[in-house]
Formats: sequence, structure tokens, C-alpha cells
Amino acid sequence: EVQLVQSGAEVKKPGESLKISCKGSGYSFTSYWIGWVRQMPGKGLEWMGIIYPGDSDTRYSPSFQGQVTISADKSISTAYLQWSSLKASDTAMYYCARRGYDILTGYHNYYMDVWGKGTTVTVSS
Amino acid sequence: QSALTQPASVSGSPGQSITISCTGTSSDVGSYNLVSWYQQHPGKAPKLMIYEGSKRPSGVSNRFSGSKSGNTASLTISGLQAEDEADYYCCSYAGSSLNWVFGGGTKLTVL
Repeated sequence: EVQLVQSGAEVKKPGESLKISCKGSGYSFTSYWIGWVRQMPGKGLEWMGIIYPGDSDTRYSPSFQGQVTISADKSISTAYLQWSSLKASDTAMYYCARRGYDILTGYHNYYMDVWGKGTTVTVSS
Repeated sequence: QSALTQPASVSGSPGQSITISCTGTSSDVGSYNLVSWYQQHPGKAPKLMIYEGSKRPSGVSNRFSGSKSGNTASLTISGLQAEDEADYYCCSYAGSSLNWVFGGGTKLTVL
């Protein structure tokens, strides 16, 4: 079964650092891009950025460039989203999602076909 | 980059059809036939319902359909069922180095 398993809920204080994870299984992790999406409490989905674990090519939404770091460790099929100094406004649910890919043609699609269950991050003093 | 524009809410009775619009710009929806739609039930992760404007993934009911005209994409749900009650988000590829943009979301209520 193809799945993305995300790390558990986090409660942090402003200024602390954090790294959350997203582990892929049931497919070739290095062949698919992994994106990250933020959902603030009671709000909509926001695109943050995407990484290709095969070569760590990473692209950020202009809104999140410089605010977070996306990385991946292909040896353990895991992608990460990290903050160096959290703010209260980082409180949100964070989803990882796999970008669709056609193995037969080598075409990377423009939608997210598999989603993790999300990681809740709460930042409060 | 601004979010795509969706109505905040729509409603319909069981068996009826509803349409959710998603308006972007010539830089996203208008430039690419790469709009996808996601369904999100409360407390759950989003689920892909439509991709490339009008294609359905395997396992998604054919009651869900998508279309696009100019800078506006639309999701139509026919034969409304109680289980369709959820939030729906459109998403468009926006170019500019693998960037996507979501709509603000539409809450569908089945009366």
C-alpha cells in the first residue's frame, strides 16, 4: 500500500526549532516529488514547496521562501520540513503530499495523488 | 501570489447538482489545463477528486466532473449525497519553478 506517514503532533515555544517528517512507503520514494501544504486553524490549504528526493532539487513558494527548509533523506525514504525559529503564526496542520508520476512515461504530473494524515504544530508561550 | 477565488459556501439537497467555481488569472488557471480539485472532510487529509481539469482518478465517483473556461475552472457534483458534504479546494499549477496555488476553499452543505 502506498502511504505517507507523518510524524506526531508537536507543541513548541516561540523561537524554538522544529523538524517534522514524512516517510514514504509502498513505492519508489526517489522517483516522486514530495510537496508540503500548510493549513492554519479554520483556514484553507496553502502551497509551501516541493522536493525531489532523487537529487534533492527543492523549490519554494515565494510566500515560504526563507521561512522554512525542505529536505529529504532518500536512504530512509523520508522528507522533512523544518523551522529554525518558530513563531506563533506557524501554528497549523502541515501535510505532505506526493506529486503524481507516470512510471511508464516518466512524466511528472501536476497534482498531488497521495497525502499524509498531517502533523499538527502548535507554537505557544 | 494570490489564492484562487472560490465561493465560501454552496449547498444543495440530496439528488441535486451543484457547481463550485474557481477563478484565477492568466498566469495560473488560464495558462494551464492543470487544475485539480480536492475534497477534505473535517479532521481528514485532502483527497484528489479531479486532475488536469476534468480527469477522475480511479475510484472517484463519476458524479464528480470538472471543466474550465478561460480563467475559471468548475467542479460539478451531480446526484448529491450526504457523504459529499465536505470542503472542496481547487488548485492550479502556476508555473514559475514548480509553484502551485490553492483556492480558498468551498464548504459544501448537503441539506
